[in-house]
Order: sequence, then structure tokens, then C-alpha cells
Amino acid sequence: NAGVTQTPKFQVLKTGQSMTLQCAQDMNHNSMYWYRQDPGMGLRLIYYSASEGTTDKGEVPNGYNVSRLNKREFSLRLESAAPSQTSVYFCASAAPPGLPNTEAFFGQGTRLTVV
Amino acid sequence: SQQGEEDPQALSIQEGENATMNCSYKTSINNLQWYRQNSGRGLVHLILIRSNEREKHSGRLRVTLDTSKKSSSLLITASRAADTASYFCATVSNSGSARQLTFGSGTQLTVLP
Repeated sequence: NAGVTQTPKFQVLKTGQSMTLQCAQDMNHNSMYWYRQDPGMGLRLIYYSASEGTTDKGEVPNGYNVSRLNKREFSLRLESAAPSQTSVYFCASAAPPGLPNTEAFFGQGTRLTVV
Repeated sequence: SQQGEEDPQALSIQEGENATMNCSYKTSINNLQWYRQNSGRGLVHLILIRSNEREKHSGRLRVTLDTSKKSSSLLITASRAADTASYFCATVSNSGSARQLTFGSGTQLTVLP
């Protein structure tokens, strides 16, 4: 199994450009998450999705939108990138059906630089 | 602000010594989890402790949970150079229908050979 797959791994954007970070999981998990991690800091939750068709804001949602396209995929969109969004972005999934409180599995991250 | 806060922020020990990291959190939780992150990589789950448990072991890892103090500790015994990494606690909230997974700021552990 691939687990959680994020694309792309690296991206450089100019201020004002838009892009979508893709995330897919093959573990039949209900919950999916997007985090950002800045140097020397922990992970801050941007958005999460408890199930297909639902999304909720996390700690730092401003400047981002998400789509839970289906059970497998959860994308993160930056409509107008700003230098403050330079960060490493992680996608995660958790909770197989019937087991709502389990550990999360992480992708390898997307390193985004906005110039 | 983040739910969990780890202490210390950085810890440097000799190989063979034990390493203890602490985590405090603010709200009612369903469970608390510890993760490890090697430099430049994603996070890897280490251990999960539920709110009705007080202690849990997994190999060289020992986790305790004190819900009255809203705190947890992670003990790594007989540390190895390969244990060098950042360690994060994460909490799953007990409120609402969605299980929000919230991370602390982490402890950077360096194990010197």
C-alpha cells in the first residue's frame, strides 16, 4: 500500500499565483487533515475533513480552501499565494470505518516557497 | 493557539541515557498520541494512549497520561543515536463530531554517540 501520497514534493510560486496541493490515501480512512509546519515549529492544522463531503476549519484556515473530492482525496488550494504561506505542508489521514480514534498516517510533505 | 505544548523544546543526551519529554494540553481529550519526525520527513506515529489509560509501553517507549493535570510524558529508555529526531504530542479532542488532531510544538532530541 502507498499510504498517504502528496503531490508535488516541491513548488515555487510567485506572489499572487494559485495552486492546488493534492493528497490521496488508500487506507479507506474517514478523516483527512492538512497541516503546515514552519521552521522550528510544530504542525498547525489548516483544515480537516471527518468524512467525505464534510470539511471544517482548523487553527489557520485563512488564505486556503479545501475539497474532499471523495473518500480517497483531499486537496488544498491557495487562491492567491503570499510569502507568509511559505511552509512545508503535510497531509494526513486517520480513522478506518468503525475506529474513529486511531493514529494518523502522514504524507512526505510539500515544500512550498512563495517569492 | 496549539493544544499541546512540549517541554523541553530541546534535549541533548548521551547514548544509553534515558530521555523524558513532557506534554501539556488544554481541553478534554479522547486520546493523546506521540509522533516522531526525522529531519525533512513526515511524521511517524509512535504510541497512542486513551483518556482512560494511565500508562502504556511499547518497546523502549513508556507513555504516561494524567488527565487531572492535563499532561503526558514520553520516556525513551537506553537511547540510541538513531533516536535523534523531533518528537511531538498530539491530542484528539472529545468534543464535536469531527476528531480534530492537534499537535504541540515539539521537542528536538539529540542523542550523542
